[in-house]
Amino acid sequence: DTEVTQTPKHLVMGMTNKKSLKCEQHMGHRAMYWYKQKAKKPPELMFVYSYEKLSINESVPSRFSPECPNSSLLNLHLHALQPEDSALYLCASSARGTPGELFFGEGSRLTVL
Amino acid sequence: DAKTTQPPSMDCAEGRAANLPCNHSTISGNEYVYWYRQIHSQGPQYIIHGLKNNETNEMASLIITEDRKSSTLILPHATLRDTAVYYCIVRVAVGDMRFGAGTRLTVKP
Repeated sequence: DTEVTQTPKHLVMGMTNKKSLKCEQHMGHRAMYWYKQKAKKPPELMFVYSYEKLSINESVPSRFSPECPNSSLLNLHLHALQPEDSALYLCASSARGTPGELFFGEGSRLTVL
Repeated sequence: DAKTTQPPSMDCAEGRAANLPCNHSTISGNEYVYWYRQIHSQGPQYIIHGLKNNETNEMASLIITEDRKSSTLILPHATLRDTAVYYCIVRVAVGDMRFGAGTRLTVKP
């Protein structure tokens, strides 16, 4: 299984809502990542988890709260978002510390009204 | 990480080879060159990576100059499905990849 599965594929939420994005992989990877991608722009790194611990936070606003409950699962909790947070949110995973492949999911497209 | 420079866009005729250049003049000795592509509205897809030697897989070939300051990704027989944004990234390990603007390749019939 070489897949990274993201749910939901599409999410529409209001600015006062609380929602979560979920990402799952069963490749035994110990590094997982969240990226944000606005239209016609490259993916921007948000968070990196290494061995279930947050290792990189790219100065992301606190309305985005990542969680890594186990080595296969990565969540992104969303609260009090702004319309400008509407984007494609991509999850990825990789083996840690070696040259190799970063596996991406298909993304969750978020619209904030 | 070394900075990379890619042309913003390129065209290629279907069936011809697509040669995508990347400059990475500040690359250090232990940094790899990675290539990814992103087809519209999909997650990025790994293509290939290399350190010094040229590399080939079922998708593409990677040619790295002897001084390692530049590289070329070659898609030998481009198809319409190869239309995508291609990203060249220089990193020591697979880790926290940061994407530049990339090259938008359009394969034309």
